[in-house]
Amino acid sequence: GAGVSQSPSNKVTEKGKDVELRCDPISGHTALYWYRQSLGQGLEFLIYFQGNSAPDKSGLPSDRFSAERTGGSVSTLTIQRTQQEDSAVYLCASSPGTLNTEAFFGQGTRLTVV
Amino acid sequence: QKEVEQDPGPLSVPEGAIVSLNCTYSNSAFQYFMWYRQYSRKGPELLMYTYSSGNKEDGRFTAQVDKSSKYISLFIRDSQPSDSATYLCAMTFNTDKLIFGTGTRLQVFP
Repeated sequence: GAGVSQSPSNKVTEKGKDVELRCDPISGHTALYWYRQSLGQGLEFLIYFQGNSAPDKSGLPSDRFSAERTGGSVSTLTIQRTQQEDSAVYLCASSPGTLNTEAFFGQGTRLTVV
Repeated sequence: QKEVEQDPGPLSVPEGAIVSLNCTYSNSAFQYFMWYRQYSRKGPELLMYTYSSGNKEDGRFTAQVDKSSKYISLFIRDSQPSDSATYLCAMTFNTDKLIFGTGTRLQVFP
């Protein structure tokens, strides 16, 4: 596809369950970001992948959160033992990577923990 | 203190008005400054970006950066109801993560 694709678009899960969120970036983009957006809030940085460099995980809120990027393309964000405060929209973005001034966002995954 | 501060609004203006949206920041190392627009239940989309200080114009939109004051602005001329959205500022050092403001919700009424 032409843009960043995220799946699922909506996810309802029970507290304590694990969830996996997927992001397909734009082909050829070397940089990939995950952000979280809570209701009425701005974008909270979670993790950043740039090419083959070690990811910047400084935004992950706890060790229940992890992410990987396989083959420099698809990325999966995993949340273990979900809590109600994890409910938010999780946004993925990619950029060409040379200059991260043009990041393209997906539509997001709306996660609801009940 | 957050690295980037932005008034959440909401800002409500009549159609045709000039809109001014602003962000302040604390880290003088930021070099690239961006404005994103986000419609309800959509991902943000890039409007424009500016490098270092100065102005940049694109149609009805003008971005200004004043690095000495650590202050950036987005002006929208002849605002339209279709401009109603949340506007997020973002900034970065270069090949680093983007740091976003909280966003300002704008409502343009006919």
